[in-house]
Amino acid sequence: QKEVEQNSGPLSVPEGAIASLNCTYSDRGSQSFFWYRQYSGKSPELIMSIYSNGDKEDGRFTAQLNKASQYVSLLIRDSQPSDSATYLCAVSWSGTASKLTFGTGTRLQVTL
Amino acid sequence: GAVVSQHPSRVICKSGTSVKIECRSLDFQATTMFWYRQFPKQSLMLMATSNEGSKATYEQGVEKDKFLINHASLTLSTLTVTSAHPEDSSFYICSAMDGNSPLHFGNGTRLTVT
Repeated sequence: QKEVEQNSGPLSVPEGAIASLNCTYSDRGSQSFFWYRQYSGKSPELIMSIYSNGDKEDGRFTAQLNKASQYVSLLIRDSQPSDSATYLCAVSWSGTASKLTFGTGTRLQVTL
Repeated sequence: GAVVSQHPSRVICKSGTSVKIECRSLDFQATTMFWYRQFPKQSLMLMATSNEGSKATYEQGVEKDKFLINHASLTLSTLTVTSAHPEDSSFYICSAMDGNSPLHFGNGTRLTVT
C-alpha cells in the first residue's frame, strides 16, 4: 500500500524562526509532490509543488525533494503566527496531480 | 486562478435521510473531479474519482451504492450520501484539476448526521 508519513506534531517554533516540516513516502515511483496548508475547519490550500530533485523556492517557502531517500520537506522562513496550521504532504504516483495520497499532516504552532 | 465552489458548507440531517453535495468548477472545465473525506484529526482520504459522462471510480472500501456520484457536465459533480448514518458525519471535500495544474479544493462540506 502506498503511504505518506508525517510527524503529527505539534511543531512549535518562535516567530521569525525557520520551521522545517518533513515527509516520507513509500513508493519510489512517485512523481509529483505537494504541500498543502489547512487551517482548522477549512479545506487545504496549495503552498508548493515540486517534481524534480533539489530545492524550489517561493517567497518564504522552500520545498526540498530527495527521491533517492524518498523524502520531501518544506521550510518556512521568518515564520509568522498566521503560518500556524496543519501542513499536509501529498504525493501523486502519476505525472500529474490527478490522484493524491495525503499524509496525516503536521500541526505547526508559531509562538509570539 | 482556478476556483472550485462547493455547496452547502454545512448540513445537518437526520439518520436515514439523503444529502446532496455539489461541486462546481467556476472558471474552467473539469473532466475529472475528486471527492475526499476527512474525519477529525485525520488526513484526507480519497473516496472516488468523478469522470464527466461516465461512471465514477471508487476507492477500495467505499460503498458506491451509498455514495452516489454524478458528473453530468464539465463544471458540476455531485455527491449524494444516501441513508446517512451518524458514522457518515465528516468533512467532505471536492477537488478538480485545471489541465495539468495541481488540484484545487472546494471549501468543503461539514456533514452532521443526528
